[in-house]
Amino acid sequence: QVQLVQSGAEVKKPGASVKVSCRASSYTFSSQGISWVRQAPGQGLEWMGWIRPYDGKTTSAKNYQARVTMTTDTSTRTAYMELRNLRFDDTAVYYCARIAAVDHWYFDLWGRGTLVTVSS
Amino acid sequence: SYVLTQPPSVSVAPGKTANITCGGNKIGNKRVHWYQQKPGRAPVLFIYDDSDRPSGIPERFSGSNSGNTAALTISRVEAGDEADYYCQVWVTGYDSVVFGGGTKLTVL
Repeated sequence: QVQLVQSGAEVKKPGASVKVSCRASSYTFSSQGISWVRQAPGQGLEWMGWIRPYDGKTTSAKNYQARVTMTTDTSTRTAYMELRNLRFDDTAVYYCARIAAVDHWYFDLWGRGTLVTVSS
Repeated sequence: SYVLTQPPSVSVAPGKTANITCGGNKIGNKRVHWYQQKPGRAPVLFIYDDSDRPSGIPERFSGSNSGNTAALTISRVEAGDEADYYCQVWVTGYDSVVFGGGTKLTVL
């Protein structure tokens, strides 16, 4: 079954880091990019950036450039998103999503999301 | 930065037609994509490249895009269509994905 399986919920303190994983199955992982999108409680979708698995090239949204690192491990077909220096307003559901194809910037497959709660 | 503007809410009676708009500067020059999101669930792609439907999406869902406005049209609305809908584009030059703020569709 074609799917993206994300890691479980996390609770972190302000200033800490969180690393969310996203494991792909049943498609050629290296051939399609992975984006990260987050959604704060009751809010809309916010794009964080994307990574090209076959060479690790990344592009981050301006709001996250200083705090986010996206990586992949092609041997385990897993993408990772690390967010550093967490703040209370980083509490959100974090989704990984597959980019449909080169120059086709839409997301045709989504993970179920990982809830990250920042609390003291 | 590029901004996509959606109405926060749209209400429609069952069996009628719902139109959800997505406004942006010269959005007609971009490819617009639409997602449906139900509470507690991940978004699902419903329309891509302005008007194409992924397999499994009912023909009742259609899209259009021209000038400064794109639109998602849902014909013969059903109770199960109640959800949040988001438009999305890729902004060349900024190398960035942008989402609209989302529209909550209520079926009366």
